[in-house]
Amino acid sequence: GENVEQHPSTLSVQEGDSAVIKCTYSDSASNYFPWYKQELGKRPQLIIDIRSNVGEKKDQRIAVTLNKTAKHFSLHITETQPEDSAVYFCAANYNTNAGKSTFGDGTTLTVKP
Amino acid sequence: DTEVTQTPKHLVMGMTNKKSLKCEQHMGHRAMYWYKQKAKKPPELMFVYSYEKLSINESVPSRFSPECPNSSLLNLHLHALQPEDSALYLCASSQTGGRTEAFFGQGTRLTVV
Repeated sequence: GENVEQHPSTLSVQEGDSAVIKCTYSDSASNYFPWYKQELGKRPQLIIDIRSNVGEKKDQRIAVTLNKTAKHFSLHITETQPEDSAVYFCAANYNTNAGKSTFGDGTTLTVKP
Repeated sequence: DTEVTQTPKHLVMGMTNKKSLKCEQHMGHRAMYWYKQKAKKPPELMFVYSYEKLSINESVPSRFSPECPNSSLLNLHLHALQPEDSALYLCASSQTGGRTEAFFGQGTRLTVV
């Protein structure tokens, strides 16, 4: 089955700096890669996703890059703000129901004001 | 309406009790999921329903019994749980076929005493 590794497990940055979270996956058949943000006590919410036919996707301060050859994908957050502080999960999925994604172990991001 | 609604938000139950968790969505999604999430860990998939039929059971103990009465509702019946079953139980829904966003409910915080 699919295995997703996520690094780092914790990340602390100063407000305004950039944050990068990296994930690798094992199954070359995976073709959908969502990123979820989960604030303390709240539900995971999709912040951005990328499909395997695209190398990069950007939405305001958030971008995701995908390298299919190397089987890794990364989340980039620029101009971080304290409200970006949360746990971020990457996930990988292949042509099955989206909720059956394999999740990484999560990265706790702290943005210090 | 892009909401997945779960009830109750909190539940405390004894090891001999029987209780049910409920989940509802009105987005027309035909795939629904139950996840278990322990603190600081990623969601773990328990069950997947596709077109109201159980399609995946991730080797979950029989003390957890899912039910999908119709395309909008998903229940999780609980009986004879153990303290280690205490966790956040998340319901999610998505379109079928993968490569689409999964929407999570706010979860039920379950404590088994």
